[in-house]
Amino acid sequence: AQSVSQHNHHVILSEAASLELGCNYSYGGTVNLFWYVQYPGQHLQLLLKYFSGDPLVKGIKGFEAEFIKSKFSFNLRKPSVQWSDTAEYFCAVIGNQAGTALIFGKGTTLSVSS
Amino acid sequence: GAGVSQSPRYKVAKRGQDVALRCDPISGHVSLFWYQQALGQGPEFLTYFQNEAQLDKSGLPSDRFFAERPEGSVSTLKIQRTQQEDSAVYLCASSPSPGRGYTFGSGTRLTVV
Repeated sequence: AQSVSQHNHHVILSEAASLELGCNYSYGGTVNLFWYVQYPGQHLQLLLKYFSGDPLVKGIKGFEAEFIKSKFSFNLRKPSVQWSDTAEYFCAVIGNQAGTALIFGKGTTLSVSS
Repeated sequence: GAGVSQSPRYKVAKRGQDVALRCDPISGHVSLFWYQQALGQGPEFLTYFQNEAQLDKSGLPSDRFFAERPEGSVSTLKIQRTQQEDSAVYLCASSPSPGRGYTFGSGTRLTVV
């Protein structure tokens, strides 16, 4: 069965610090990978996604993620965080064949102090 | 509509009461998913429809949970004889095709008292 592991439960940073959130997945086939963000009181929003091609994916708001197939990882990065990045971040994976569902990690809470 | 619409936004139910949660997906989206998100947790998969066919219901926690999508568009998640452990946000998502990105609704926050 597929699974997603997010290493950090809660990350606390000061503004302008660099961010890296870890994500590893377990799945026995080709996958599509996603990072979602959930701001306080809001619904899940897609940050970025990887289907194929360049393993370095750029998303909205200056976020990027790198797919490393050999490590089954899809870590999220941002060079300089802002207070407005305070949110919960979820890594998710789906097999690319029909009939499979998106599976989420447990999430990482990011708190950015100004 | 432009997004996935869920109603009601909030629901308070007395223990033992039946509830029905509605999801209006994006028009034309073939795939529809229900998730349960407990406080401080990631969304947990409940069930998946492709058009009107329920292809996977392996995530439904008990036989008190039932979902349907009779005409391949609107879906309803029904919970019978609600229990306190059913308190969570129930999320609906739709996708134009399997394996692609999902669009999530705002969710229904269910509180069982």
